[in-house]
Amino acid sequence: QKEVEQNSGPLSVPEGAIASLNCTYSDRGSQSFFWYRQYSGKSPELIMFIYSNGDKEDGRFTAQLNKASQYVSLLIRDSQPSDSATYLCAVGGQGAQKLVFGQGTRLTINP
Amino acid sequence: DTAVSQTPKYLVTQMGNDKSIKCEQNLGHDTMYWYKQDSKKFLKIMFSYNNKELIINETVPNRFSPKSPDKAHLNLHINSLELGDSAVYFCASSQDQGAGNTIYFGEGSWLTVV
Repeated sequence: QKEVEQNSGPLSVPEGAIASLNCTYSDRGSQSFFWYRQYSGKSPELIMFIYSNGDKEDGRFTAQLNKASQYVSLLIRDSQPSDSATYLCAVGGQGAQKLVFGQGTRLTINP
Repeated sequence: DTAVSQTPKYLVTQMGNDKSIKCEQNLGHDTMYWYKQDSKKFLKIMFSYNNKELIINETVPNRFSPKSPDKAHLNLHINSLELGDSAVYFCASSQDQGAGNTIYFGEGSWLTVV
């Protein structure tokens, strides 16, 4: 069983709609949760992090965490073509920083 | 100034060769990492150093040897390169080794073994 799972996609969303990206993780002791965006040929860049159950909003992005269900999601409102990228979910545990990444979901926003 | 910089960006080499990738961060961070991203985009940690001390070594063949001369540098040396070593190698850093710290990535080094 993979430690962090994401649907690899591709996920196609029309411009202006809400894109919903999902991630599940296996380690119940996980403490920190991150969403990174990676454009083709580029390095991952942090979009959001969340530590507590519930929602966290930052501009057009909302991260949602449900530790009981071991589920974290990222919503992108008013999707733009520039949001087209691969989105990586990363989960961290206690102690030494060891982020485990999912394989990423490729998102395409269609104009 | 680039926060995490690594060189070379592209490297094409033959099987059996030895090569190194250098990494430097100017963020004043204590912890540095090497990640490998394979052709399926799966990003996996290889090593982590905190203040020049190895803290994570993730079942990586001993052909891979990291070296941290100081906390701002973490180099990766690879001996006897194999075809399966072809990947993108990302250097990264974080404030310290505590869980929850944001990890900042370098631009990646594209290694192709032929």
